[in-house]
Amino acid sequence: NAGVTQTPKFQVLKTGQSMTLQCAQDMNHNSMYWYRQDPGMGLRLIYYSASEGTTDKGEVPNGYNVSRLNKREFSLRLESAAPSQTSVYFCASSEQGVTEAFFGQGTRLTVV
Amino acid sequence: GIQVEQSPPDLILQEGANSTLRCNFSDSVNNLQWFHQNPWGQLINLFYIPSGTKQNGRLSATTVATERYSLLYISSSQTTDSGVYFCAVGGSGTYKYIFGTGTRLKVLA
Repeated sequence: NAGVTQTPKFQVLKTGQSMTLQCAQDMNHNSMYWYRQDPGMGLRLIYYSASEGTTDKGEVPNGYNVSRLNKREFSLRLESAAPSQTSVYFCASSEQGVTEAFFGQGTRLTVV
Repeated sequence: GIQVEQSPPDLILQEGANSTLRCNFSDSVNNLQWFHQNPWGQLINLFYIPSGTKQNGRLSATTVATERYSLLYISSSQTTDSGVYFCAVGGSGTYKYIFGTGTRLKVLA
């Protein structure tokens, strides 16, 4: 039982490149989330998907897009990476909304 | 939106000492979680505690939702307790957790 799995774990991009962060959960959860964590700070919500087929903006959505591919998978896309998007990205899932949330191991992204 | 404040921001303990971490929130919440982020960056679930008291080994937590705070107690601290402790709250009618800025704990051998 893997829980929440994120790929890749590390990534270096050049400014202007695009990439997609992948997230999959095997707990049959309805809700999924993408957060970013900057040095010395807590996590901030980028986008969330309350249930399959829906997505909504969080606190810091600019520069990102998401896709809820199916119930298991929720991807985060950076269309044109900027140095300000250098961060650690966490995916999370919960059974429904603000029930207990479980986090992936994170993706450390550096944009140069 | 809901504001979440954690205190103290930094804490240094000798191994074996006890500590209390506090999380204050500015509005009523449906749910609250405590996490430990270890030195490798992994977020570990400690407690899911919208109200009441729970205990797990040397750790316990209490949430008093009516007074808008939660406490995390660490007894007989060990070096492996080092890391950052986050409180996250879920507001009524929302689908998202709001995180505090964390308490950075260092336990010295």
